[in-house]
Amino acid sequence: EIVLTQSPGTLSLSPGERATLSCRASQSVSSIYLAWYQQKRGQAPRLLIYGASRRATGIPDRFSGSGSGTDFTLSISGLEAEDFAVYYCQQYGSPQWTFGQGTKVEIK
Amino acid sequence: EVQLVESGGGLIQPGGSLRLSCAASGFTVSNNYMSWVRQAPGKGPDWVSVIHSGGSTYYRDSVKGRFTISRDNSRNTVYLQMNSLRAEDTAVYYCARTILGVDGYGFEVWGQGTTVTVSS
Repeated sequence: EIVLTQSPGTLSLSPGERATLSCRASQSVSSIYLAWYQQKRGQAPRLLIYGASRRATGIPDRFSGSGSGTDFTLSISGLEAEDFAVYYCQQYGSPQWTFGQGTKVEIK
Repeated sequence: EVQLVESGGGLIQPGGSLRLSCAASGFTVSNNYMSWVRQAPGKGPDWVSVIHSGGSTYYRDSVKGRFTISRDNSRNTVYLQMNSLRAEDTAVYYCARTILGVDGYGFEVWGQGTTVTVSS
């Protein structure tokens, strides 16, 4: 089973700053299998990025994904108030799906 | 509007059974891949099971032999039958429309979740 490790565990930033979240896989992952989600307290996760770099429907262009192999990154340029949340990466390894442990982006 | 509504959660004793339902609107479940994903209190999400449009089903190892995913095309509803429940099955259970496409894979539409608590 592929293990996803996210870093940092918590990111303390101010509105307007850039956030860079890392997701490292224990073995190589095909880019089309890598996705990112945002989750706010009491809500279901929301798909942000799939295929490592494709924004899901309705996702603002300040969210971007990149990476390949074992190292993937979610970037948020110019944090807005509604972006403070927990972010998860996820991969598909037929037929199982696994998530990282999450990165919390909090207001500094 | 595309929507998923889960129901059927509750408090159940260890060893008991529950059936969760996920009613879909705005699309046809039989033409899509549909998954159940759970999230234990204070933890990240965990994939539980998927049913493919062709009917194939898959499960995470810890629920194999205990959980069964199915769908009723006439009701446009997906189910998760959960037997021999354990304390570690306690979680919010989400239903999710799942994409497995040439552009990428992921859970693109989620329901609001239903809470399952396994405790004596």
